[in-house]
Amino acid sequence: AQKVTQAQTEISVVEKEDVTLDCVYETRDTTYYLFWYKQPPSGELVFLIRRNSFDEQNEISGRYSWNFQKSTSSFNFTITASQVVDSAVYFCALSAPGANSKLTFGKGITLSVRP
Amino acid sequence: DTGVSQDPRHKITKRGQNVTFRCDPISEHNRLYWYRQTLGQGPEFLTYFQNEAQLEKSRLLSDRFSAERPKGSFSTLEIQRTEQGDSAMYLCASSSVTGGFGYTFGSGTRLTVV
Repeated sequence: AQKVTQAQTEISVVEKEDVTLDCVYETRDTTYYLFWYKQPPSGELVFLIRRNSFDEQNEISGRYSWNFQKSTSSFNFTITASQVVDSAVYFCALSAPGANSKLTFGKGITLSVRP
Repeated sequence: DTGVSQDPRHKITKRGQNVTFRCDPISEHNRLYWYRQTLGQGPEFLTYFQNEAQLEKSRLLSDRFSAERPKGSFSTLEIQRTEQGDSAMYLCASSSVTGGFGYTFGSGTRLTVV
């Protein structure tokens, strides 16, 4: 069975602070995919990143960076110099390869960035 | 293409009534998924179609729930005899077999059962 744990439930920071959102996963699959999604108040899930289990390189996209560590089953997400527009709920998700590719989500982390 | 469309955006219904939601996926996507998201939780998988075939249903999908995808295009999710516990956001997503595992989600239908 697959499981995603996002132990942090709510985080509040002041604009321009850096913030890291933690994600720990469990799976018996040797090949899998990890995702981060952003859910703003409008409700739509916005895709941020997909990472293959064989690719442990960290990734940076603008102010966003992701740290994938297979040894600790973690896929953490850092926002550098946070902005008010980053306020949202962030979900980490896990998928096994195969025909259905269904996602298993964590409970999400509510990030509030104060001006 | 404007993405995945869901209709309606909001639905308020009385307990015991039937409701139907519609999802229009991205036109070239042959996979379509339904998820349910309750307050404070992440989305949970309900069911999945590849073209018109419903290939998997979650245990969450009780007998009161039925999903269809005629002709492999749009999909409908019907809930019969709604209960207060059905109140949730119902999210639809689509993806392409050849496009890897990149999902596109719709904005969801928020159901409130009173």
